[in-house]
Amino acid sequence: AQSVAQPEDQVNVAEGNPLTVKCTYSVSGNPYLFWYVQYPNRGLQFLLKYITGDNLVKGSYGFEAEFNKSQTSFHLKKPSALVSDSALYFCAVRSINNAGNMLTFGGGTRLMVKP
Amino acid sequence: GAGVSQSPSNKVTEKGKDVELRCDPISGHTALYWYRQSLGQGLEFLIYFQGNSAPDKSGLPSDRFSAERTGGSVSTLTIQRTQQEDSAVYLCASSLQGATGRTEAFFGQGTRLTVV
Repeated sequence: AQSVAQPEDQVNVAEGNPLTVKCTYSVSGNPYLFWYVQYPNRGLQFLLKYITGDNLVKGSYGFEAEFNKSQTSFHLKKPSALVSDSALYFCAVRSINNAGNMLTFGGGTRLMVKP
Repeated sequence: GAGVSQSPSNKVTEKGKDVELRCDPISGHTALYWYRQSLGQGLEFLIYFQGNSAPDKSGLPSDRFSAERTGGSVSTLTIQRTQQEDSAVYLCASSLQGATGRTEAFFGQGTRLTVV
């Protein structure tokens, strides 16, 4: 079975500071990894994904994520946080070895960026 | 349509009544997911359809919940004899999922269900 862990329920950061939202995964074989963001009263929006190639993936709104196979992690990062980045962030995984397998989500991390 | 469409956007129902929630996925998307989200919390997986394969129903919380997908497109999630604990936002997502599974899922705006 595949799983995703987001160890922090909430991350607080000051505007202008770098942010990191952590994600670790467990899957048989190699993974496809995804990050989504949910703003208040909105559906989930796709941010970025890792499929293959460069371990550093760049996505929407200045976000990036680094795939680390040895640590089975896919942490979301941004060099300089904005108040408007405050939202709920979800990490998700799908196994390459079973492409018919479903997308599994972590429990979400609430990011609070304070002015 | 341009995105995943869910209806209704809001539904208030009396305890014990049945409800049907509808999801129109993006045209051509073979995979369809239903999730439940309570009070802005995490996503609880409910059911997953992939092409013509038998759906993965492992997340349905009780036999009061069922879902179908007609013609590989529109899906309906049915909750029978609703209970107050069923109150949540029900999210549908679809993806173009061929042999590689590389594509991301696209979410609808959800149906907010309130059982009173």
